[in-house]
Amino acid sequence: KTQVEQSPQSLVVRQGENCVLQCNYSVTPDNHLRWFKQDTGKGLVSLTVLVDQKDKTSNGRYSATLDKDAKHSTLHITATLLDDTATYICVVGDRGSALGRLHFGAGTQLIVIP
Amino acid sequence: EAAVTQSPRNKVTVTGGNVTLSCRQTNSHNYMYWYRQDTGHGLRLIHYSYGAGNLQIGDVPDGYKATRTTQEDFFLLLELASPSQTSLYFCASSDGTGGQAPLFGEGTRLSVL
Repeated sequence: KTQVEQSPQSLVVRQGENCVLQCNYSVTPDNHLRWFKQDTGKGLVSLTVLVDQKDKTSNGRYSATLDKDAKHSTLHITATLLDDTATYICVVGDRGSALGRLHFGAGTQLIVIP
Repeated sequence: EAAVTQSPRNKVTVTGGNVTLSCRQTNSHNYMYWYRQDTGHGLRLIHYSYGAGNLQIGDVPDGYKATRTTQEDFFLLLELASPSQTSLYFCASSDGTGGQAPLFGEGTRLSVL
């Protein structure tokens, strides 16, 4: 059963526009949530991590929120660039006996066009 | 510099063949993981380990063995490869707490003909 759901599955935006990616999960108990960027055929690169019950982070043009009560996170990308074209993956870390286990969403494919 | 290095980067084998994928991390991390990535799925955990000699079964372990020989080295073994194992394989390491980002290798693309 999929424990991390991301939406939309894919998204096309024009360079300079903002976009929002969503992540809903059912992992229990949840430790942390991390957003990764994956360029096509490459490894995953961490963008930000959220830890607190209601958390917000900011990393340049990337900002993220987490609500553990709702088990929901968002990733905002401001003023998109062509290099933002990639797949963005939401990953939830386990806090139970399986500490160290990571649960991956299928990703949102973002395409930025000129 | 902290890193996760996978080898080979590309591999082609035939059905029934033997394949070993290698992963080395220089991050002093306790946890190491093997995942496969297929279109339409998130990364799926095959096996993981929290130290030398330790092995934990992941979510899709059938057809795979793994061995953690040292803190640094984690191997994935396909002893009778099948076409369903054609995939992009990633190795990762982490401290297991979430305090640091897990680090991923660049991936190994495996084709089983």
